[in-house]
Amino acid sequence: NAGVMQNPRHLVRRRGQEARLRCSPMKGHSHVYWYRQLPEEGLKFMVYLQKENIIDESGMPKERFSAEFPKEGPSILRIQQVVRGDSAAYFCASSPSGLAGSTGELFFGEGSRLTVL
Amino acid sequence: AQSVTQLGSHVSVSEGALVLLRCNYSSSVPPYLFWYVQYPNQGLQLLLKYTSAATLVKGINGFEAEFKKSETSFHLTKPSAHMSDAAEYFCAVSTYSSASKIIFGSGTRLSIRP
Repeated sequence: NAGVMQNPRHLVRRRGQEARLRCSPMKGHSHVYWYRQLPEEGLKFMVYLQKENIIDESGMPKERFSAEFPKEGPSILRIQQVVRGDSAAYFCASSPSGLAGSTGELFFGEGSRLTVL
Repeated sequence: AQSVTQLGSHVSVSEGALVLLRCNYSSSVPPYLFWYVQYPNQGLQLLLKYTSAATLVKGINGFEAEFKKSETSFHLTKPSAHMSDAAEYFCAVSTYSSASKIIFGSGTRLSIRP
């Protein structure tokens, strides 16, 4: 049973380019979370999605960032016109229910490390 | 809004010594509390959780944590450190009303000296 799969594992972009990070949740999981980890900092919540719906995007920057989780295919975190401050590790986690906050059942991928030159 | 504060970004102990990683939480309602571990270049794994049952919670790999409401603390301990315990540890909090979202602390990097 494959775990949460994220790709690419490493991505290098120049300022102004677009970055697309993909996340395939564990089989049977329909809830996906994106977190950002900056150097020497903890994980910051970005967005929580269910299939075809954004449930909570309170942690998403207002501009340039978007996320989707289509009916078919992986969840995608998209960053337009990247800046150096976007350099970070982006982690995706999936859960079998929307109650991860009470169960702690968040299954993390290995992360995508974005470097902006 | 809830939050967690981890005291000490780096902790170093000798192999066989006691491990103590500190976490204090802030929440206006009863919290759910968690500890996660992150090994290099990997995602986080759940170590243990407190969800209002027993205040002393046992997790994997010999770790345990005690919920102390009076001190708003949820410190992680292990009686005897092993080299394989070297990793980054994150304390996290959620509440019933925000059960879909877990808020993480800034992490504590644990090093083990031979």
